[in-house]
Amino acid sequence: GENVEQHPSTLSVQEGDSAVIKCTYSDSASNYFPWYKQELGKRPQLIIDIRSNVGEKKDQRIAVTLNKTAKHFSLHITETQPEDSAVYFCAARSSASKIIFGSGTRLSIRP
Amino acid sequence: GAGVSQSPSNKVTEKGKDVELRCDPISGHTALYWYRQSLGQGLEFLIYFQGNSAPDKSGLPSDRFSAERTGGSVSTLTIQRTQQEDSAVYLCASRSGGEGSGELFFGEGSRLTVL
Repeated sequence: GENVEQHPSTLSVQEGDSAVIKCTYSDSASNYFPWYKQELGKRPQLIIDIRSNVGEKKDQRIAVTLNKTAKHFSLHITETQPEDSAVYFCAARSSASKIIFGSGTRLSIRP
Repeated sequence: GAGVSQSPSNKVTEKGKDVELRCDPISGHTALYWYRQSLGQGLEFLIYFQGNSAPDKSGLPSDRFSAERTGGSVSTLTIQRTQQEDSAVYLCASRSGGEGSGELFFGEGSRLTVL
């Protein structure tokens, strides 16, 4: 079945440094790749997404890259701030519109 | 409504009892998903509804789990003969369903504790 793997499971970076989270997916027919942020005790919320017809997308301090050949995509956060501390989930939507999530990355920003 | 609404927000039950969890999606959203999130874990796909199509039940962990969506709107997730390993937060999400629509809007979740 479809599978999404996410690494690392935890990540600690110094405030101001960059953070990178990587995901791979198994279903080559997947065409949409969102990233969600879940703050403690809250619901997941979309922060950025990318479709299979583009290789990179940026929104201020966050960017996502997609390599369809290798079936992997990554989230990049630059100039990290304390409010970036949260759990981040990648996901892939299959051709049947089922959305499978990775196992999550707990990002901590050290002051 | 303004967002996805789930009830109850918290449910404590005894092992072996049945529970029903309700999800009211955003008005007009044709796609509805259920996920399970165990403590500190990821989002485990359970079931997906799209309009009047047959649901994708491939994520349901056992035959004790079932879900229905009446009238293309409200959905109910039922867990029969609950077990302690069913304890988790059950999250519902909806999206508008069009080909260009991607964003999932999540509810606050229903926290289930099985004693």
